[in-house]
Amino acid sequence: SQQGEEDPQALSIQEGENATMNCSYKTSINNLQWYRQNSGRGLVHLILIRSNEREKHSGRLRVTLDTSKKSSSLLITASRAADTASYFCATDDNKGAQKLVFGQGTRLTINP
Amino acid sequence: DAGITQSPRHKVTETGTPVTLRCHQTENHRYMYWYRQDPGHGLRLIHYSYGVKDTDKGEVSDGYSVSRSKTEDFLLTLESATSSQTSVYFCAISESGGTSSYGYTFGSGTRLTVV
Repeated sequence: SQQGEEDPQALSIQEGENATMNCSYKTSINNLQWYRQNSGRGLVHLILIRSNEREKHSGRLRVTLDTSKKSSSLLITASRAADTASYFCATDDNKGAQKLVFGQGTRLTINP
Repeated sequence: DAGITQSPRHKVTETGTPVTLRCHQTENHRYMYWYRQDPGHGLRLIHYSYGVKDTDKGEVSDGYSVSRSKTEDFLLTLESATSSQTSVYFCAISESGGTSSYGYTFGSGTRLTVV
């Protein structure tokens, strides 16, 4: 069963605009992670936010976590064509935290 | 991807035949994972390993077995391939499981087609 669910499933914006993707999960977690996947490639780790953190930044990425609502958001500012990819959230299962459960992903398209 | 390689990259096999996919790492990471990716399902965990000879089942383990006889290699075997196992298979490694600040490092994937 999926722990994380991303919303929207697909997002298309113009280059330079900001892109926001959301992730909801069901059970308590130790941390939440975001990954990017370019077409035909493996996933690449972007950022991790721990359950005691509310916001984290990395370059043009901003991640928020609301454990009371069991939700997270990923904001990409000043989008570029190279940001076109699928984005996945992943959560540990809080049972020894040995493995991650991934959502189905948001397909982001940046139009020039 | 640096430090992790999957082989083969592509494979076409017939229904009923056994198939083995290999994941090799040079990072000396403790944890290794096999996921499959299918449209509409995202990534689903098949099996994972938390050390040499230490493995556990994931969400979709039926029809699959794994072995890890040394730190660097994690093998996924489809005992008798079925068309429902047509998928893209990803291996991932991690230093400390789901809590690593660096997350997982993924291989480039193996595209398996069962005909």
